[in-house]
Amino acid sequence: DQQVKQNSPSLSVQEGRISILNCDYTNSMFDYFLWYKKYPAEGPTFLISISSIKDKNEDGRFTVFLNKSAKHLSLHIVPSQPGDSAVYFCAASPLDDYKLSFGAGTTVTVRA
Amino acid sequence: NAGVTQTPKFRILKIGQSMTLQCTQDMNHNYMYWYRQDPGMGLKLIYYSVGAGITDKGEVPNGYNVSRSTTEDFPLRLELAAPSQTSVYFCASSARDTQYFGPGTRLTVL
Repeated sequence: DQQVKQNSPSLSVQEGRISILNCDYTNSMFDYFLWYKKYPAEGPTFLISISSIKDKNEDGRFTVFLNKSAKHLSLHIVPSQPGDSAVYFCAASPLDDYKLSFGAGTTVTVRA
Repeated sequence: NAGVTQTPKFRILKIGQSMTLQCTQDMNHNYMYWYRQDPGMGLKLIYYSVGAGITDKGEVPNGYNVSRSTTEDFPLRLELAAPSQTSVYFCASSARDTQYFGPGTRLTVL
């Protein structure tokens, strides 16, 4: 039973525009949420995270929003750049348990 | 600072063979993890360790074994390889919530 879901397998966006990636979760015990970026033939790299006590976290062009009541988080990339073309994974873990549950990923393609 | 390293990068096994995937981290992290990623799927946890000498099963442990004799190393053993174990395997480590991943091992079982 998949506890973290990314319902959009792919996203295509023009360079300079905003990319919005969505993630839903079912486990109400999840307390910490992360986004990872993955290029082909490489391991996932940590991008940004948010804890359940916040509803927004920003790091440069990347912002993560958390809506606990809807069990939903999103990642905004503004402006999108060609180097952002990658697979993005949403992940979550419960309080004091560092094991992560991952979504299936969203492939982002940034068009020139 | 190498982070998390994995060897080999690629391997082809015949059904019934066994092998060990190596993982080493140099960040002095207590927590280490093994995941597998199948095409179009997210990462699924195979085994994890909270420190030297302590390991536990994840979501998909069948067909695998692990050991953790040092903080740095967390090898994954495949016994009697099966085609269902064809996948990309990632090792990760963490001090707390944020995990850092190795480059992966692509394993094919024929």
